[in-house]
Amino acid sequence: DAKTTQPTSMDCAEGRAANLPCNHSTISGNEYVYWYRQIHSQGPQYIIHGLKNNETNEMASLIITEDRKSSTLILPHATLRDTAVYYCIVRVVGGNTPLVFGKGTRLSVIA
Amino acid sequence: DAGVTQSPTHLIKTRGQQVTLRCSPISGHKSVSWYQQVLGQGPQFIFQYYEKEERGRGNFPDRFSARQFPNYSSELNVNALLLGDSALYLCASSSRQHNTEAFFGQGTRLTVV
Repeated sequence: DAKTTQPTSMDCAEGRAANLPCNHSTISGNEYVYWYRQIHSQGPQYIIHGLKNNETNEMASLIITEDRKSSTLILPHATLRDTAVYYCIVRVVGGNTPLVFGKGTRLSVIA
Repeated sequence: DAGVTQSPTHLIKTRGQQVTLRCSPISGHKSVSWYQQVLGQGPQFIFQYYEKEERGRGNFPDRFSARQFPNYSSELNVNALLLGDSALYLCASSSRQHNTEAFFGQGTRLTVV
């Protein structure tokens, strides 16, 4: 079972920041937070991952709370092409653990 | 560079039949994983292969099997198909056994009638 809780759906206006929350209150010290997204009819796409420090790449920023029990994925300037299902996953790195997907958050970016 | 390629893209089979799905990983990637995604759910892990050996198996019946070839491509086989096997089957590749980023293909849409 997925160890994360996410809202079922969210809307965001085009050009605004999209902030997608994720709760992972039972996260262990050796588990990372991963984010993937899945645009309709495509395979999931890796976005970003982090352990405890905030991370930023060309796609998004990941903010992890100090107690690591929750995180937020930020898309700074959402476009219509960012409409997708976003999955937050916690996972041990260095082991044979697969990705365990929940149902994710369906983000709709509205013009 | 080509990404992860899967074939076929769509497939219709009859209950009780057998199916083989194929996956070519990104060049240089030695780890391949298979996932099943039914409508409305997130992908579920089926198998992981690394260097041609099975390294992980999800909670799927023995009707599901897979293998990895010397060129690191992989096949997923499903025997005695059931209606409930209808799903999108996804293949993911990564460069190491203890993968960090997994790159997914577009999937094979299997419909069992």
